[in-house]
Amino acid sequence: GAVVSQHPSRVICKSGTSVKIECRSLDFQATTMFWYRQFPKKSLMLMATSNEGSKATYEQGVEKDKFLINHASLTLSTLTVTSAHPEDSSFYICSASGRAWETQYFGPGTRLLVL
Amino acid sequence: KNEVEQSPQNLTAQEGEFITINCSYSVGISALHWLQQHPGGGIVSLFMLSSGKKKHGRLIATINIQEKHSSLHITASHPRDSAVYICAVGSNYKLTFGKGTLLTVNP
Repeated sequence: GAVVSQHPSRVICKSGTSVKIECRSLDFQATTMFWYRQFPKKSLMLMATSNEGSKATYEQGVEKDKFLINHASLTLSTLTVTSAHPEDSSFYICSASGRAWETQYFGPGTRLLVL
Repeated sequence: KNEVEQSPQNLTAQEGEFITINCSYSVGISALHWLQQHPGGGIVSLFMLSSGKKKHGRLIATINIQEKHSSLHITASHPRDSAVYICAVGSNYKLTFGKGTLLTVNP
């Protein structure tokens, strides 16, 4: 299957700082990228869907001003957690799809710890 | 909203045993995924299916659209199969995930 990378794999930051997570599709053009969050022992939850060149669509309850998503190219999407707080500590996973949105290739995830 | 229920939540098996994990969902879907998540967190897509049955190595996935039910089978289980197995269903351009089944295969 296609390869999706995320960077960084793990980040620790202080409360109030911003953190940027990159999601790259390495061998195909990702029309759509999805950002998920997973709290310990919970299901993955969709945060937002982004299409290249368009504004992201956020799920109910996800603050768009706090979780900034940029999908400027067909191979790169970024998620910026602004003014991070300890409750934002979680595992963030992206996935990428081509024209068929159901076929999603998942990144390895980024573990964020906010102190 | 689609509800996705997996059973069992936890499963412990001896190496070589046949494993079955079940997934039920509540509304119509375009596709169902079986995913594998290892302790480090990374997710691997095992199957995507919308009807019938698929097989890959020792893994078999089946789906019954009428009954809104899918099963993942592992034949001749091995300790390296130990992971969390997640069922996810797709509809309205979104995936909804089950809580996962933690499988532990002992040598």
